[in-house]
Amino acid sequence: GEDVEQSLFLSVREGDSSVINCTYTDSSSTYLYWYKQEPGAGLQLLTYIFSNMDMKQDQRLTVLLNKKDKHLSLRIADTQTGDSAIYFCAESIGGYNKLIFGAGTRLAVHP
Amino acid sequence: NAGVTQTPKFRVLKTGQSMTLLCAQDMNHEYMYWYRQDPGMGLRLIHYSVGEGTTAKGEVPDGYNVSRLKKQNFLLGLESAAPSQTSVYFCASRPYGQGIAGANVLTFGAGSRLTVL
Repeated sequence: GEDVEQSLFLSVREGDSSVINCTYTDSSSTYLYWYKQEPGAGLQLLTYIFSNMDMKQDQRLTVLLNKKDKHLSLRIADTQTGDSAIYFCAESIGGYNKLIFGAGTRLAVHP
Repeated sequence: NAGVTQTPKFRVLKTGQSMTLLCAQDMNHEYMYWYRQDPGMGLRLIHYSVGEGTTAKGEVPDGYNVSRLKKQNFLLGLESAAPSQTSVYFCASRPYGQGIAGANVLTFGAGSRLTVL
């Protein structure tokens, strides 16, 4: 079945790198996404990767995709307190942009 | 540019009461969605709409109804609220077609927190 799993909590020191991991089950996913949710707000798209790519870099963000293992990761370099949020992994399947979301990883950044 | 606006932001209901959540978007998007978010679980799709006058069921449609009479509005109704419907509800929308570089990107509202006692 369709399932996206990610760890629920990550704590890092300010300035360190954060790595948030995600596994998914549907090998036919065309796009995989990372959304960010700040307290009291809706989700905002952070970045995405097309399924034929292995890596995508966007400033402090690096997305790695291992299709064989169905593993997706998000690395945030030089993590700042403003990066504290919940990060959701999602895969798109089927039509009408049906997104299957993971449960979200809460990132806590401490001094 | 308001984006996606949800009303109300908070609501407390008693079991058996009915209510409607309103989602309004000003981006002329064709597709609209209602999700619910529960602790320890990802967002789950309740219903969605691919255009004015159309609706379809998502993963968890039971106990909810929707209507899309106007393109900019997507209403989520609870006819007889149950404690299991206590959740945070998110509306989202996207334009028709491939969007940014082929990826379909959803714009989310800020959420509506519903508590059913």
